[in-house]
This record gives sequence, structure tokens and C-alpha cells, in this order.
Amino acid sequence: GAGVSQSPSNKVTEKGKDVELRCDPISGHTALYWYRQSLGQGLEFLIYFQGNSAPDKSGLPSDRFSAERTGGSVSTLTIQRTQQEDSAVYLCASSLEGRGMVYEQYFGPGTRLTVT
Amino acid sequence: AQSVSQHNHHVILSEAASLELGCNYSYGGTVNLFWYVQYPGQHLQLLLKYFSGDPLVKGIKGFEAEFIKSKFSFNLRKPSVQWSDTAEYFCAVNGGLTGGGNKLTFGTGTQLKVEL
Repeated sequence: GAGVSQSPSNKVTEKGKDVELRCDPISGHTALYWYRQSLGQGLEFLIYFQGNSAPDKSGLPSDRFSAERTGGSVSTLTIQRTQQEDSAVYLCASSLEGRGMVYEQYFGPGTRLTVT
Repeated sequence: AQSVSQHNHHVILSEAASLELGCNYSYGGTVNLFWYVQYPGQHLQLLLKYFSGDPLVKGIKGFEAEFIKSKFSFNLRKPSVQWSDTAEYFCAVNGGLTGGGNKLTFGTGTQLKVEL
């Protein structure tokens, strides 16, 4: 079946502009995660949507970052007033979830963001 | 907060050599452990996972890992590497339902190069 998809695959933007990154999770996966992969920081957790519960936003680096998930499926990560340090590969992952269970996460190909 | 240490940042091996990549984590509670691999130009893929039970887990492509609770370790091994194993390897941990949920904390990664 189809995996996690992300768009765009590459995004170049000027410092100060806003960007939106999109993630389509695997059908039926109710948990969705955003991570960031950068040279200086490795792979970092950003935000986690779990079913109908409030998202875990504990990894968002500043209030310029926000994310939403519409209809329990597609998610959009928005970065406002981009800075050069926001340049990274933004990864989305999805998984099943269930009471008392742990499931593996499936990753998308990522969006490479370059802020000039 | 959880942390994951991968001691080897770059490893170069000849084909048929044995591989062991170290991974230590800090969280003292119940953990779920993962090794992910990222082949050149590809997205993160799950190699293997440990949730409970037999501490020696086998994954794809001949990889295995051993969970040693007393050492907080989850080292990755392969008895005989191939050129196609050239990739970056990431160890990851989550605390499951009692330790921060399903968000993953990653190590900094180990770049493996296998020479012919």
C-alpha cells in the first residue's frame, strides 16, 4: 500500500517568509508525528498528534512553528517568519495506535527546507 | 528527558567484516527500542524493534540487536556486512505509555561505509 507522502520534496524560501509543509499519513494510521533532521541537531521530535487527544507540542522550537491535522488525516506544519536555522529536512511519520499497545512509526521521504 | 548515545559516528568496514554499532539510552523506565536505517537518497526505514520478550531481536537483512537492561544498551550487530549495507543507522527509544508516549528520541546516527 501507499506509504507516508510529503510535499513539497524541496522548498527554498527567503528569510522572513512563511512556509507550509504537508504530510499525508498511511491510511488508517491515527497517530502522526513531525520530526526535523538537521546537521547540527540530528533527528529531533517536533509534534505528535494522537487520535482525538490534544497534540503533544513539546518539541516545537519556537512559537513560529505550528501544526494542524485536519479530519484526522492530512497534517500541515507551518513555519512563520523563517530563519536560516530552520533549514533542515522535515520528516513526517505515522503509526497505528491503541490502548496499551506500541506501534512502529513509518516515515515519509521528508521535505528539504532551505532558507536563504 | 530521554537521551540516546551512539558512540560510533563513522564506521568503515570491508565486505564480510562483522559489525557492531553501540547504542545506550538514559531512560530508566520501560522503554521501546528501535534501529532505523537511511540508505543514500532514501527515507528512514525500520530495521528492527524491541518492545518486550526475548531481548535478542532479529530484523531485516540479517541484522540483530540485543537489549541489555542492566547496561541500558541496545547494540546492533551483523555477522557479515555487504556493500549494500552502506547507510546511516539511527538508534531510537520511546517511553511508551508511561514514559512520554510514542514520540521517538533518536541518537545522532552512525554513518557506515562498506568497502568492496
